[in-house]
Amino acid sequence: DTEVTQTPKHLVMGMTNKKSLKCEQHMGHRAMYWYKQKAKKPPELMFVYSYEKLSINESVPSRFSPECPNSSLLNLHLHALQPEDSALYLCASSQVMSRDFLQYEQYFGPGTRLTVT
Amino acid sequence: GQQVMQIPQYQHVQEGEDFTTYCNSSTTLSNIQWYKQRPGGHPVFLIQLVKSGEVKKQKRLTFQFGEAKKNSSLHITATQTTDVGTYFCAGQGSSNTGKLIFGQGTTLQVKP
Repeated sequence: DTEVTQTPKHLVMGMTNKKSLKCEQHMGHRAMYWYKQKAKKPPELMFVYSYEKLSINESVPSRFSPECPNSSLLNLHLHALQPEDSALYLCASSQVMSRDFLQYEQYFGPGTRLTVT
Repeated sequence: GQQVMQIPQYQHVQEGEDFTTYCNSSTTLSNIQWYKQRPGGHPVFLIQLVKSGEVKKQKRLTFQFGEAKKNSSLHITATQTTDVGTYFCAGQGSSNTGKLIFGQGTTLQVKP
């Protein structure tokens, strides 16, 4: 199974709402990622988890809160978002970097298209 | 910070014509990966290049990694309508952080 699943596919939320995005993979990958992608732009890294621990936070505002409850699941909790946070949120997974620090290929989920009103 | 520049931003070709997209990094890369994102889809891994001067082929697609490991290219021979999408290169710098630095992408349109 080489699939990364994400729910929901679409989400519309107000600026005062709290919502969560979910991501799941069963490939045994121990590195998981959250990316944000605006239209006609490349994916922009937000967070990296390695062995269920947060290893990279790309200075993301605290209104985004990641969580990795186990090796298969990754959540992104959203609170008090702004309209400019509207984007496609992509989850990805990969094997953890090799001993010679080689980054393996990433498998992306279909994304959650988020609209903040 | 480390940047990966990708050109062109857009390319329109007639079906059957060739297509090439280029990536250039400001610093040496430990490896480079290529992804394809179809309209409305998500990035899908195509290939990884690790060695200096490496060339890999996948059917009509040819990928190259420069001798200095600072540039890479993707060449598609005889494009088909199924090649439509945005092609991203993504480089890993030498800082061993595990981060991929994505180029801006090249969007390919193919006229039948």
